[in-house]
Amino acid sequence: TQLLEQSPQFLSIQEGENLTVYCNSSSVFSSLQWYRQEPGEGPVLLVTVVTGGEVKKLKRLTFQFGDARKDSSLHITAAQPGDTGLYLCAGGEEGNNRLAFGKGNQVVVIP
Amino acid sequence: DAGVIQSPRHEVTEMGQEVTLRCKPISGHNSLFWYRQTMMRGLELLIYFNNNVPIDDSGMPEDRFSAKMPNASFSTLKIQPSEPRDSAVYFCASTQSGRWYEQYFGPGTRLTVT
Repeated sequence: TQLLEQSPQFLSIQEGENLTVYCNSSSVFSSLQWYRQEPGEGPVLLVTVVTGGEVKKLKRLTFQFGDARKDSSLHITAAQPGDTGLYLCAGGEEGNNRLAFGKGNQVVVIP
Repeated sequence: DAGVIQSPRHEVTEMGQEVTLRCKPISGHNSLFWYRQTMMRGLELLIYFNNNVPIDDSGMPEDRFSAKMPNASFSTLKIQPSEPRDSAVYFCASTQSGRWYEQYFGPGTRLTVT
């Protein structure tokens, strides 16, 4: 079973500040996904990265896949209260069609 | 388009009772996944189906749990008998053929077993 560790578990920042959260594993993944989950709802897919070193941007969110495809980071620029949520990373391995999820980074952006 | 639909949204039951959770995947999606989420263990895969056939049920905790997918538009997860440690949020997710890693989640069912 692949193990994904996310850090920090909890992060509280002021509106307008920047933040970075991390997702690390000892396993190599064929793809890595980031999801955001809000209270009382299911996770919503934000991005998929598949190539080592790949960088994807989604408005103020920047996602990077590590060169060895074992880790990833999510950077938020000028955080807004709407960015508040639980950010989950998930790694996929070709052949078994299942995702392993980390426990998440809880981000709180204070107005 | 409608997303993944789950019912009920909340379920409170007494220990020993049977619980049935329901899921309707997105139309056209051919893979369906059942997850359980707790604070301690995070999001855990219980079982997944491909074209209505169970492929991997290694995450099902024990024989008290069972899942069925009688057709492409409906799946159930049953717990019988339920125990307090089964209290969690249960999610259903579906995906398109060939894109199994991009999963679309339902709103979840919050189960409380007293």
